Amino acid sequence: EVQLVESGGGLVQPGGSLRLSCAASGFTFSNYWMYWARQAPGKGLVWVSRIRSDGSTTSNADSVKGRFTISRDNAKSTLYLQMNSLTVDDTAVYYCARGGGSFLEIWGQGTLVTVSS
Amino acid sequence: QSALTQPPSASGSPGQSVTISCTGTSSDIGAYNYVSWYQQHPGKAPKLMIYDVTKRPSGVPDRFSGSKSGNTASLTVSGLQAEDEADYYCSSYVGNNNLQFGGGTKLTVL
Repeated sequence: EVQLVESGGGLVQPGGSLRLSCAASGFTFSNYWMYWARQAPGKGLVWVSRIRSDGSTTSNADSVKGRFTISRDNAKSTLYLQMNSLTVDDTAVYYCARGGGSFLEIWGQGTLVTVSS
Repeated sequence: QSALTQPPSASGSPGQSVTISCTGTSSDIGAYNYVSWYQQHPGKAPKLMIYDVTKRPSGVPDRFSGSKSGNTASLTVSGLQAEDEADYYCSSYVGNNNLQFGGGTKLTVL
């Protein structure tokens, strides 16, 4: 069964850092682009970041550029999102997703990040 | 980039058809055939329903169909069923390796 399981969310103070992880199973992780998207409480989906299958290319939404870094460990079938300089506007459920081109074909269940003092 | 524009709500009775629009610009929807649609039930992860404007992933009922005309994409749900009640989001490739989502449409089955 294809599965993505996020972890690492929690409560963090403004200006703090957090690293999210996404463990993949049931498919050859190294063959796929991977994505992070987020959803603030009661709001819509927002694309955050994506990374090429071999990790050589990344891109980020303007709202997180310079603060968030996406990476992957293909040997561990794990995707990461390092989030620095967090603000209250970063409060959201963060989803990892397997890319199928310019779409997100498999989604994890999400992990909640709350930025608050 | 601005989010793609979707109506906040749509509704229909069981068995009817409903169409949800997603309006962008000549730089996103109008420029690429890379529109996708996602269904999200409350408290659940999104699920891919349509990709590359018209394609349906395996397991998605053929009651769901996608189309595009100019800068506007559409998702049509035919033969509405109670389980179709959910939020629906469109997405488009917008160049420079970026994606953009719409604001979402809450579909109510009356």
